[in-house]
Amino acid sequence: AQTIHQWPVAEIKAVGSPLSLGCTIKGKSSPNLYWYWQATGGTLQQLFYSITVGQVESVVQLNLSASRPKDDQFILSTEKLLLSHSGFYLCAWSLGGETLYFGSGTRLTVL
Amino acid sequence: GDSVTQTEGLVTLTEGLPVMLNCTYQSTYSPFLFWYVQHLNEAPKLLLKSFTDNKRPEHQGFHATLHKSSSSFHLQKSSAQLSDSALYYCALSDNYNQGKLIFGQGTKLSIKP
Repeated sequence: AQTIHQWPVAEIKAVGSPLSLGCTIKGKSSPNLYWYWQATGGTLQQLFYSITVGQVESVVQLNLSASRPKDDQFILSTEKLLLSHSGFYLCAWSLGGETLYFGSGTRLTVL
Repeated sequence: GDSVTQTEGLVTLTEGLPVMLNCTYQSTYSPFLFWYVQHLNEAPKLLLKSFTDNKRPEHQGFHATLHKSSSSFHLQKSSAQLSDSALYYCALSDNYNQGKLIFGQGTKLSIKP
């Protein structure tokens, strides 16, 4: 069975500090991987997607970056957090752009 | 470009009444349409997905019909339950734009006793 694990579950960080969020998918070979962001009370906004190791496409520029160092791992990061980065970050996987399976998310609060 | 429109931001209904949440789309190709549901403080989960053979998908009492002529994929249920209160997203994917799943703005469904 496929599992998707996101870490950490929640973070409280200061403005200007760095951030790294992680996501691991087990049980699927070469999935498409995605990062989504959801402001409190807002809609889902796709940030990045990757269809293969080492290749990441940016959908929206929010002073964030993403990397896929391994087939089953997707990392979201920034060197300097902004207040506007607060929200709910969701990692997801799919095969060929069909059904999306989300992780449980990371709730980020920037103070 | 491809887009998904959900015109209602909030739908409030009394328990037992029928539900219909609107979804229309624009796509260059023949897309797959999805409904995702997100309960409070949870991640979104797939509720329904359109079929290529025009069958009507159903799950948990919800159903949706893909109408290509009107580019719509409205979500319906005959009788709302309190537990249906959640955020509902319509989404679109086409096989020619691999890697992109486009979500609508979402509709918050609130069911009152």
